[in-house]
Amino acid sequence: QTVVTQEPSLTVSPGGTVTLTCASSTGAVTSDNSPNWLQQNPGQAPRTLIYSTSNKHSWTPARFSGSLLEDKAALTLSGVQPEDEAEYYCLLYSGGAWVFGGGTKLTVL
Amino acid sequence: QVQLVQSGAEVKKPGASVRVSCKASGYVLNTHYMHWVRQAPGQGLEWMGVVDPSSYSTSFAQMFQGRVTMTRDTATSTVTMELISLRSEDTAVYYCASVRAVGVGGHYDFDNWGQGTLVTVSS
Repeated sequence: QTVVTQEPSLTVSPGGTVTLTCASSTGAVTSDNSPNWLQQNPGQAPRTLIYSTSNKHSWTPARFSGSLLEDKAALTLSGVQPEDEAEYYCLLYSGGAWVFGGGTKLTVL
Repeated sequence: QVQLVQSGAEVKKPGASVRVSCKASGYVLNTHYMHWVRQAPGQGLEWMGVVDPSSYSTSFAQMFQGRVTMTRDTATSTVTMELISLRSEDTAVYYCASVRAVGVGGHYDFDNWGQGTLVTVSS
């Protein structure tokens, strides 16, 4: 069973830049894992911001970008806004199943 | 814009079963994989399984094998998840999600999510 690891929490100042990462216990994350990045606000359903490593939806703010960084998937926020404070989950396809990371609580302070 | 509308909250006793439905607008059931994900109170997201749009076949996370079924009804554009032998640890919000294949080579987009259905298991 694959374990996907994310930073439990990160803090960033408004206007700053922050990178969230997503690691797999089975080895390097690649595009074959089809990384998706989801944002979830309290009491709301998740919404997908990034799919297939780096692709954005029409609703994804331009300040969000996805990539592969060394052996991990990464979500970078450039020019963070207060409304970006939320929980962020990565989702990987691995070993015939989809696996969520534990989530990163992003605080904008 | 695809919409996924889920059935209402449920309260069940331990040992019972629950069925949660997800009605999709448009032709999404013919083109999208339909996944189920749950979230226990204060916890993270947990993938449960998927229904294939063309073969109707299903695949489940190991921890749910033998306890979950997922079906689709194209006539009503509805997918249904049934979880049996409920225990208190199954108390969670259950989400359906539509997922489209992107390009070639196993790339996927979890593009739409239902609003969630709270299932409470309590004696």
